[in-house]
Amino acid sequence: SQQGEEDPQALSIQEGENATMNCSYKTSINNLQWYRQNSGRGLVHLILIRSNEREKHSGRLRVTLDTSKKSSSLLITASRAADTASYFCATDSPYAYGQNFVFGPGTRLSVLP
Amino acid sequence: NAGVTQTPKFQVLKTGQSMTLQCAQDMNHEYMSWYRQDPGMGLRLIHYSVGAGITDQGEVPNGYNVSRSTTEDFPLRLLSAAPSQTSVYFCASRFGAGNEQYFGPGTRLTVT
Repeated sequence: SQQGEEDPQALSIQEGENATMNCSYKTSINNLQWYRQNSGRGLVHLILIRSNEREKHSGRLRVTLDTSKKSSSLLITASRAADTASYFCATDSPYAYGQNFVFGPGTRLSVLP
Repeated sequence: NAGVTQTPKFQVLKTGQSMTLQCAQDMNHEYMSWYRQDPGMGLRLIHYSVGAGITDQGEVPNGYNVSRSTTEDFPLRLLSAAPSQTSVYFCASRFGAGNEQYFGPGTRLTVT
C-alpha cells in the first residue's frame, strides 16, 4: 500500500488563483518532499520539509507539515499556466527500503489562462 | 553538470527479449535508484544502491537486475521482457539519505 496519498487527484483553477494540494501518509517520517512533473518529463524537486519543521516557503510555494495528523499541504499562490503539472509528495520513512522515498499517486493541476 | 542522464528515451521490445537501460550521474552521488511509473500509481522503487558495489531490492524487483561497478553508472537490466513491464522508467540520484533526489528524463518502454 502507498505511504503517501495526494488529494485531490485532479485540480483545475484559473490563472492567478491559489492551488492547494494535500498529502497524507501512514508511518513516521524523517522528512517529506514535494516534486513537480511536467508531462513526459522527469520529476523536479520543489521543497523539502523535515519532521521537526512545521512550515517552509520557497518563492510562491508554501508547505506545511503536521506530524500529529500525518499530513502535509502544498500551496501555490498566484498560479500561472506554467504551473500546470503533476505534483507528488514523497516521504523519507525510516521504514522504507534503504530509507528511499515513497511516492503518492500525485495531483494533476491544470491552470487555465 | 549534465545531472542524471538516461538512455534510451524510447524502446519497444518483444516479449522475451532482454535489454539494459542506462543511467549515469556526474554529481558524485552515492545513492542511486530506479523507479517505474504507471498511470495512477505514482513511482514504485525497483532497485537501489547506496554506493559502488552495493545494491538492494525495492518494492517491485522481480524481472529486473542491477549492478553498480562505479559511482557514476547504475544500469537496469530486463532479463526477459513481459508486457507487464511496459512503463516509464526513471533513474534518480542523491547525495545521501534525507536529501533531495535528482531525476533523469525517463525511458518509455513498451513490451509487445
